[in-house]
Amino acid sequence: GAVVSQHPSWVICKSGTSVKIECRSLDFQATTMFWYRQFPKQSLMLMATSNEGSKATYEQGVEKDKFLINHASLTLSTLTVTSAHPEDSSFYICSATDGLETQYFGPGTRLLVL
Amino acid sequence: RKEVEQDPGPFNVPEGATVAFNCTYSNSASQSFFWYRQDCRKEPKLLMSVYSSGNEDGRFTAQLNRASQYISLLIRDSKLSDSATYLCVVNGGSSNTGKLIFGQGTTLQVKP
Repeated sequence: GAVVSQHPSWVICKSGTSVKIECRSLDFQATTMFWYRQFPKQSLMLMATSNEGSKATYEQGVEKDKFLINHASLTLSTLTVTSAHPEDSSFYICSATDGLETQYFGPGTRLLVL
Repeated sequence: RKEVEQDPGPFNVPEGATVAFNCTYSNSASQSFFWYRQDCRKEPKLLMSVYSSGNEDGRFTAQLNRASQYISLLIRDSKLSDSATYLCVVNGGSSNTGKLIFGQGTTLQVKP
């Protein structure tokens, strides 16, 4: 099956710093990538939809200036959490689709902001 | 009301038991339905898609009732390795945006 990687798998940072998370589709071209966030014992919540070469579409309540998304190529999307604070600590997961129905999920990135 | 609702459980069952999970969704325009499995601290993995005619994959059977906006998953002959959280997932609406809405998940613990 299709493989999606994420890097880093976990990160610990100080409050106020920015953190960049990469999502790559390794063996297919991803027309669309999605970014999710999951807090403990809660469901995955879609943050934004990212299409290659265009601006991301953010879900209601997600600050686009805080969560910067860049989808520069068909195999790479990045999420930058700017000026991270402890409440941003979460499990961030990306997924990618080649235009067909199935979304392939990356292994996730655990962010802990101290 | 949540867009996708599931009983969070946990469901504690012995090995070999049959267990059923239910899910309801609020958007009648949804076209695609899935069950995902998520292990602790891992990403979700697709278990199976759900079709109106019902579908079966080994010990797993999924059913969809569009009229009631209800989805089910039946697991027969439970194994220890089935212990996980099962996520009911629905696409976000009539337009093919690919947007998925996740339920909270139902936790299954299979015991020896």
